[in-house]
Amino acid sequence: AQSVSQHNHHVILSEAASLELGCNYSYGGTVNLFWYVQYPGQHLQLLLKYFSGDPLVKGIKGFEAEFIKSKFSFNLRKPSVQWSDTAEYFCAVSPNNNAGNMLTFGGGTRLMVKP
Amino acid sequence: EAQVTQNPRYLITVTGKKLTVTCSQNMNHEYMSWYRQDPGLGLRQIYYSMNVEVTDKGDVPEGYKVSRKEKRNFPLILESPSPNQTSLYFCASSPGTGGGYEQYFGPGTRLTVT
Repeated sequence: AQSVSQHNHHVILSEAASLELGCNYSYGGTVNLFWYVQYPGQHLQLLLKYFSGDPLVKGIKGFEAEFIKSKFSFNLRKPSVQWSDTAEYFCAVSPNNNAGNMLTFGGGTRLMVKP
Repeated sequence: EAQVTQNPRYLITVTGKKLTVTCSQNMNHEYMSWYRQDPGLGLRQIYYSMNVEVTDKGDVPEGYKVSRKEKRNFPLILESPSPNQTSLYFCASSPGTGGGYEQYFGPGTRLTVT
């Protein structure tokens, strides 16, 4: 079974600072990778996803993530955060061709951006 | 508007009193799933369904039941709730059953069992 680790549980940044959230997974086969965001009091929304091709993927709101297969990592980045980026961020993995569509989530990273 | 809806959004109940949380999607999605979210643990899958009358256990199915009699609905049933089922629950749906499909989440149901 796959597992996902997000090493930063809480991150506090000032506006305009750069962001990088770590995500590592363990699985022996090919995977699909996702970052979801949960704004306060809201449901999860997809930020970006990687299925294949260019390992640098761009998502909404200026976020991007890079898949490094050799490191089993899929870190999320944003060059300049805004107060409105305050949210909880979840990395998730799904084995490719998994008929059960089993999404395994990391424990989440709470980001607080100070104005 | 394409969406996943859940009811109720908030529920406080007592140990042992059966309850049902409804989930409905209007996107004609084949796949539906239930997750619970607990601090530091992220989301963990409870049950999923790949189509009508097809359900299967996720990572944490104990104490829960589901049914999928219609494509759009996927209720979560707690026959005898216990305090360790106090959690935030999310329903999700997806257009396909392979691992490459994005899941669309409902607004969540916050359940407290005393």
